[in-house]
Amino acid sequence: AQTVTQSQPEMSVQEAETVTLSCTYDTSESDYYLFWYKQPPSRQMILVIRQEAYKQQNATENRFSVNFQKAAKSFSLKISDSQLGDAAMYFCAYRTGYGNKLVFGAGTILRVKS
Amino acid sequence: AAGVIQSPRHLIKEKRETATLKCYPIPRHDTVYWYQQGPGQDPQFLISFYEKMQSDKGSIPDRFSAQQFSDYHSELNMSSLELGDSALYFCASSTGQGALRYGYTFGSGTRLTVV
Repeated sequence: AQTVTQSQPEMSVQEAETVTLSCTYDTSESDYYLFWYKQPPSRQMILVIRQEAYKQQNATENRFSVNFQKAAKSFSLKISDSQLGDAAMYFCAYRTGYGNKLVFGAGTILRVKS
Repeated sequence: AAGVIQSPRHLIKEKRETATLKCYPIPRHDTVYWYQQGPGQDPQFLISFYEKMQSDKGSIPDRFSAQQFSDYHSELNMSSLELGDSALYFCASSTGQGALRYGYTFGSGTRLTVV
């Protein structure tokens, strides 16, 4: 079974600085997709960024980028120029190329200090 | 743009009662997923439907059932409610192929409280 591990229950960052959230996963699949979701206090689940396992190039979405290390099964999220609105719970999620469901990590609470 | 609509937003039920949660996917989305998120927990997959047929099943209790209708909306029926069923229930939708690459779009959730 696939598992997703987020080892940082909580992280803090100063406004305008950079923070990296860690995620590792375990799978025997070769074809899969990885996602970071943001869940603010409103509890809405918002897709932040995605990565296809077959792509070597790291995904980037504005201030958000990932460091995807397939051999190490690592998928970290870097948030640059942190903003107060980035404060939320961040979930790393895994999906196989053949299945429907997302498997989530336990989440990391990100606090942004002004 | 239209999003995934869930109703009701909040629901309070007593133990042993029944609850029905509804989900209206984004237009032209043919796949619906249900997740349960307990307090301080990550979302857990319950069940999914593609073209009105169950496509995958997760940790859904036997007391729960779900279906997808001809207009692609879905309902999650929960019977003999227990205190432990109190959670945020998310619905998400996608096109069958779109989900492969794009994840899927979540609704705002239904917060169920069992007292």
